[in-house]
Amino acid sequence: GESVGLHLPTLSVQEGDNSIINCAYSNSASDYFIWYKQESGKGPQFIIDIRSNMDKRQGQRVTVLLNKTVKHLSLQIAATQPGDSAVYFCAENWSGGYQKVTFGTGTKLQVIP
Amino acid sequence: DAGVIQSPRHEVTEMGQEVTLRCKPISGHNSLFWYRQTMMRGLELLIYFNNNVPIDDSGMPEDRFSAKMPNASFSTLKIQPSEPRDSAVYFCASSLSIVGQPQHFGDGTRLSIL
Repeated sequence: GESVGLHLPTLSVQEGDNSIINCAYSNSASDYFIWYKQESGKGPQFIIDIRSNMDKRQGQRVTVLLNKTVKHLSLQIAATQPGDSAVYFCAENWSGGYQKVTFGTGTKLQVIP
Repeated sequence: DAGVIQSPRHEVTEMGQEVTLRCKPISGHNSLFWYRQTMMRGLELLIYFNNNVPIDDSGMPEDRFSAKMPNASFSTLKIQPSEPRDSAVYFCASSLSIVGQPQHFGDGTRLSIL
């Protein structure tokens, strides 16, 4: 039979535009959230994190927004560049015990030059 | 600063052979994680250690898989005997603590079992 891999949602963005990647998390007890970027042939790379006592955190060209009411996380990338093309994963964790980090399935960002 | 170092980067071997993957975590990190990534299943956590002690190995697929962390700067993941369905990219990650801190990943070992 035909093998089917994970279907990654794909976001195509024009170079220079802003990108918004969304993530719904599952555990209402999660209090620590992380975004990772994975380029082809490499391991996931930490981008930015946010704790549940915040609803927004900014880094260099990236902003993470957290909405605990609807269990939603987003990553905004300003002035998207070709080097931003990658798969982006959100991850959640509950810091109250030895709970493993749970990764989402990922979103593929394609930057159109 | 040196990141997480994994070796080998690529491994091709025949089924039935023993495979050993190696990982050197970031110095000072006390938590270490082994993941497997495939197109079919995405990123799966296999096992993690805190202060060299295995905390949760519920992700290890079967008894053919074993992992050790003899000291704070070295861990191995062993598959014996290997099978074609073990073909995947295996990642090691480390973090300052087991929760509440980002994990830093190595570039993985691409394993192909023929």
